[in-house]
Amino acid sequence: GAVVSQHPSRVICKSGTSVKIECRSLDFQATTMFWYRQFPKQSLMLMATSNEGSKATYEQGVEKDKFLINHASLTLSTLTVTSAHPEDSSFYICSASGRGYNEKLFFGSGTQLSVL
Amino acid sequence: DQQVKQNSPSLSVQEGRISILNCDYTNSMFDYFLWYKKYPAEGPTFLISISSIKDKNEDGRFTVFLNKSAKHLSLHIVPSQPGDSAVYFCAGYGNKLVFGAGTILRVKS
Repeated sequence: GAVVSQHPSRVICKSGTSVKIECRSLDFQATTMFWYRQFPKQSLMLMATSNEGSKATYEQGVEKDKFLINHASLTLSTLTVTSAHPEDSSFYICSASGRGYNEKLFFGSGTQLSVL
Repeated sequence: DQQVKQNSPSLSVQEGRISILNCDYTNSMFDYFLWYKKYPAEGPTFLISISSIKDKNEDGRFTVFLNKSAKHLSLHIVPSQPGDSAVYFCAGYGNKLVFGAGTILRVKS
């Protein structure tokens, strides 16, 4: 099956710093990538949808200036958490879909962000 | 608004028995429903799906049932195996995936 690589798997940073998370589709062209956030014991909440070469579409309540998403190529999307604060601590996970895969998204392994 | 609900946070089943994972939804516009399985420190992986126009889909040990009138779906795993122990998410798909909170399944040997 298709593989999506996400890294880092875990990051600890100081408040006020920015953190970049990468998501790569390894063996298929990801025309659309999705970024999710999960708090403990809660659902995966969609943050934004990005299509290659265009601006990301953010879900209601998600600050686009806070969570910068870049989808510059068909195999790479990045999420940058700018000026991170402790309330941004969460589990972030990307997923990708490509041509022909329809609704069967392929997920990265997630990034646990801890902001001190 | 929680469109997809998994009301049981955890389920414990004996090896060889049936596991039944339940999911309720409120959005009538979902075209598909999907189940994902997630092991610790890994991303969710797709398990099985069902179109909203069907009431049953079977794949090996996994069967998903959809009751549209009750807005309820369930995943049956028969027979359950210890390797099935994981978190199971159900999701509805209209123009995007909406996930439930997940149910932790523990299969005891």
